[in-house]
Amino acid sequence: TQLLEQSPQFLSIQEGENLTVYCNSSSVFSSLQWYRQEPGEGPVLLVTVVTGGEVKKLKRLTFQFGDARKDSSLHITAAQPGDTGLYLCAGAGDSSYKLIFGSGTRLLVRP
Amino acid sequence: EAQVTQNPRYLITVTGKKLTVTCSQNMNHEYMSWYRQDPGLGLRQIYYSMNVEVTDKGDVPEGYKVSRKEKRNFPLILESPSPNQTSLYFCASSLRGGNSYEQYFGPGTRLTVT
Repeated sequence: TQLLEQSPQFLSIQEGENLTVYCNSSSVFSSLQWYRQEPGEGPVLLVTVVTGGEVKKLKRLTFQFGDARKDSSLHITAAQPGDTGLYLCAGAGDSSYKLIFGSGTRLLVRP
Repeated sequence: EAQVTQNPRYLITVTGKKLTVTCSQNMNHEYMSWYRQDPGLGLRQIYYSMNVEVTDKGDVPEGYKVSRKEKRNFPLILESPSPNQTSLYFCASSLRGGNSYEQYFGPGTRLTVT
């Protein structure tokens, strides 16, 4: 069974600080996605990474896919209160149509 | 507006009373799926559907049924709900199956089984 482990589970930081969230697995994934979920809503896609070593930037967010396609990271520069939410990584499972989500990282950015 | 809708948004029921949570999308997506979200466990896939009349089990299918008779609808059926099915449920759709396609999620259904 493929698993995605996210760390840390919780993160509380001050506005303006930098942070990195990790998504790790012992399995290879064809691609990984990152979603953000706000209270009372469904997750919303931030990015999809498909190539080992790929780096994608979305304003202050930088996403990286590991060279071996077993892990990914999300780095936020100068975090803002609007970044508060639950961050989830997701990958295609053994069957490419079955999706596996990590347990999530809950981020709180204090003003 | 492109969206995934779920009904009801909130439901409190008793053990053993059959219920259906509806899901509909207006984007002509082929792939639809159901997830449950529990604290500390992230999202776990219950069932998914590649297209009309094509469904398959996700990671936690026990106690649930689905059907896909029309492309836009993908109801989740709990024939005999139990308290361990108390959870937050999300329906999602994407253009096609596979991780490279964006999943569009509904607003969620919070189910409590007493």
